[in-house]
Amino acid sequence: SAVISQKPSRDICQRGTSLTIQCQVDSQVTMMFWYRQQPGQSLTLIATANQGSEATYESGFVIDKFPISRPNLTFSTLTVSNMSPEDSSIYLCSVVTGISGNTIYFGEGSWLTVV
Amino acid sequence: ILNVEQSPQSLHVQEGDSTNFTCSFPSSNFYALHWYRWETAKSPEALFVMTLNGDEKKKGRISATLNTKEGYSYLYIKGSQPEDSATYLCAFGRESNTGKLIFGQGTTLQVKP
Repeated sequence: SAVISQKPSRDICQRGTSLTIQCQVDSQVTMMFWYRQQPGQSLTLIATANQGSEATYESGFVIDKFPISRPNLTFSTLTVSNMSPEDSSIYLCSVVTGISGNTIYFGEGSWLTVV
Repeated sequence: ILNVEQSPQSLHVQEGDSTNFTCSFPSSNFYALHWYRWETAKSPEALFVMTLNGDEKKKGRISATLNTKEGYSYLYIKGSQPEDSATYLCAFGRESNTGKLIFGQGTTLQVKP
């Protein structure tokens, strides 16, 4: 299993500012991902956080808006830049463990409200 | 665009009722189907991962079935309890060993005592 801690758990942010979310895992994992859920929408994959290289972004998400760092195998950050009310979402990090790659754990999420 | 659809969107039942939800997903390039239980302010909790057509899995009062040929999965809860109240998410995995999931919008279950 994997225990994932996310910070902050909740924040209210001013329009135009940036916020960095941290994800700490209690064991080394190869793959880490960032998802978000906008109100009334599905959980959607933002990007894969690659250790030692640039993140891989899904269609519709770009590095300038969501820069990601992955300095080691247990930690990653996601920054939401130049926030607007549309960025009000729950942001979750997830990790894959197990040989089959089918065991996927999530953090508790970071609830951001942009005003 | 790959879509995962869940129905119903929400459900209110009485304690003791049995209930079921549906998840439909693309039947091509299937790798795995995941069910999660998500309570507010908590991590999504993995319930089941199913990979084979015809798979049936059970965990206590909760069970799930999988039909990959027609692209659907059912989640059943027998004798619902108030603590079962949560949002149930299904997620489709179409690539092996990557952890990239496509989620449905979820079914929110409320069980009244």
